[in-house]
Amino acid sequence: EAQVTQNPRYLITVTGKKLTVTCSQNMNHEYMSWYRQDPGLGLRQIYYSMNVEVTDKGDVPEGYKVSRKEKRNFPLILESPSPNQTSLYFCASSLSGLYSPLHFGNGTRLTVT
Amino acid sequence: DAKTTQPPSMDCAEGRAANLPCNHSTISGNEYVYWYRQIHSQGPQYIIHGLKNNETNEMASLIITEDRKSSTLILPHATLRDTAVYYCIVRAPGTSNDYKLSFGAGTTVTVRA
Repeated sequence: EAQVTQNPRYLITVTGKKLTVTCSQNMNHEYMSWYRQDPGLGLRQIYYSMNVEVTDKGDVPEGYKVSRKEKRNFPLILESPSPNQTSLYFCASSLSGLYSPLHFGNGTRLTVT
Repeated sequence: DAKTTQPPSMDCAEGRAANLPCNHSTISGNEYVYWYRQIHSQGPQYIIHGLKNNETNEMASLIITEDRKSSTLILPHATLRDTAVYYCIVRAPGTSNDYKLSFGAGTTVTVRA
């Protein structure tokens, strides 16, 4: 089944403890992206990747890192999480850029205390 | 990028057609109109997209005005499962902004029995 898989679904951590949220797609998509969603703010783009080893900042990249060493994986790294990064996170992929429909994962709800 | 304007919320009756408006008065000639929806904190789901002709698929119909300054997403027979936030966005494929996209607040549609 074609899908975007994020792990974990829920994560509670403490301030400053490094964490990684994984994202994997099995559709051979070139484009992948990370979003965070907060009440009343829609989905804001954190980082995106046009292909392997090609990444760029979205609208809210501060405090996050990403890597794209393989086409299928696009992990989101929080080196030193802070409470303002408590949010619902989504990974998405598409065949090529935003012209192709985006496929989203089921989300990761992160709480930083 | 053309910006879009959507009403914050709307109600519709189960079994009736739901007509969701979107204003994109600054749309340029090469920009497509896309619709996505998000059901209760799940990952957003692609619905439909179009350039200037009306489009229909198994989920919905998209009507774009002749001047392309506005469009309407039509859910022909709304069900309770169509209750969701609906996002209208415009993108131009193959441009420098083809990769960067955040979603606005969208329209919260509530289908009532």
